[in-house]
Amino acid sequence: GQSLEQPSEVTAVEGAIVQINCTYQTSGFYGLSWYQQHDGGAPTFLSYNALDGLEETGRFSSFLSRSDSYGYLLLQELQMKDSASYFCAVSLPLFSGGYNKLIFGAGTRLAVHP
Amino acid sequence: DAGITQSPRYKITETGRQVTLMCHQTWSHSYMFWYRQDLGHGLRLIYYSAAADITDKGEVPDGYVVSRSKTENFPLTLESATRSQTSVYFCASRAKPGQGTVAEAFFGQGTRLTVV
Repeated sequence: GQSLEQPSEVTAVEGAIVQINCTYQTSGFYGLSWYQQHDGGAPTFLSYNALDGLEETGRFSSFLSRSDSYGYLLLQELQMKDSASYFCAVSLPLFSGGYNKLIFGAGTRLAVHP
Repeated sequence: DAGITQSPRYKITETGRQVTLMCHQTWSHSYMFWYRQDLGHGLRLIYYSAAADITDKGEVPDGYVVSRSKTENFPLTLESATRSQTSVYFCASRAKPGQGTVAEAFFGQGTRLTVV
C-alpha cells in the first residue's frame, strides 16, 4: 500500500518562511505533487517533482528526495492569503501504464497570522 | 465554458436511495478521478478512469459505481446511500503524456452530499 504523512497543522506569521514536510511509504511512483485548498474551495495544483531536487515557482518551492522518502513544500514571504490546506500527492502507475493515479496525504492546515 | 464542472453542488438524500453525481470536462483529458474528502482523511480516491470504458477501483470503492461511456463524462453513483457516505465529493481530470501538462490535475468545485 501507499501512505503519505504530513503534519496536521502549521502556524506562521506574515512575511515568514514555512516548510511543510511529506514523508511517504510507497515505491514505484512517478512524482510528488503539491496542491493548495482554501476552505470551501477545490484543490489547485502548486508544483510537481518528477526528479530529486528543488523546483521553484515564485514564492513556492518543492523538494523531493527519493532516497530519503521525503519531500517538502517551502512557502516564502508568507501572506494572509496563503492560509489554506496543503496536500502532497504521489502519482502512481496505472494498470494501463502511464502515470496518473493520484494518492493524497491527509493535508496540512497552514494558518498565517499578522 | 471550458473546464471541469460537477453537479449538483449540494445534495441531500435519504438513506437507501440511489444518487448520481455528475462530472463533465471539456479538455478531452484521458484520465478522470473521483475523490471524497472528509475531515482528517484528506482526499481519498474512490474510482478512476484512464479512458472511455476503462475504469478501476481506488482506495475506497465500496458502495459506489462509475461509468465512462464518453471521454468527457464520469458519473459517480451511490447505489444505496448510507450516512457514512456523507462527504464532499471531488471530480478531477488530468492529461496523459502527449496531451499537455501532464502533472497537473484539475478539480471540479465539489458536491457536498448529505445522507440523512
